[in-house]
Amino acid sequence: NSKVIQTPRYLVKGQGQKAKMRCIPEKGHPVVFWYQQNKNNEFKFLINFQNQEVLQQIDMTEKRFSAECPSNSPCSLEIQSSEAGDSALYLCASSRDNNQAPLFGEGTRLSVL
Amino acid sequence: GDSVTQTEGQVTVSESKSLIINCTYSATSIGYPNLFWYVRYPGEGLQLLLKVITAGQKGSSRGFEATYNKEATSFHLQKASVQESDSAVYYCALSANQGGRALIFGTGTTVSVSP
Repeated sequence: NSKVIQTPRYLVKGQGQKAKMRCIPEKGHPVVFWYQQNKNNEFKFLINFQNQEVLQQIDMTEKRFSAECPSNSPCSLEIQSSEAGDSALYLCASSRDNNQAPLFGEGTRLSVL
Repeated sequence: GDSVTQTEGQVTVSESKSLIINCTYSATSIGYPNLFWYVRYPGEGLQLLLKVITAGQKGSSRGFEATYNKEATSFHLQKASVQESDSAVYYCALSANQGGRALIFGTGTTVSVSP
């Protein structure tokens, strides 16, 4: 019943290839988050946006990862040159304001061979 | 830095028995964090179970309860009588009480309820 739509559900890439995934946030939610969840169930925050502006991002995101949330288009997260260590579940979440808990999508599972 | 600790990776409990999932946090840079429990049922996405944003208050949902204990820096999740449908992975999380701040998650506790 999730209203945050992530595509594709599964993504398989070779090392060095680009990997791009998309997220349509819940309608009316201006804040969008991207997280990476690894095989040990550890979550890593990557980046978040308010409308089209970046609020926070980690250093890893600044190097090989790029993300955007253009108006009237899905948000996207792209890994420029995939590495084996990027294999993980990538979760997108959105929220209406700072008092609302983020609503999560079902994620994109990336496998880098 | 700020962190969330869930000490039990896996818990097995019989149906109708009580359940406690421990969660402690460190919020040195935040002070008064918002606290959350999220759950992922088999085959489903991560969803909010409950949240509490004020120290001392209790949140409840689907028979689960958790109290924001600032002195103990804890937010343990409890249920008096579990059902098989409660089998899931439960994640404790915190965030700063400030707009658009990221959640910091624990590593989750897998709960298996046996009939």
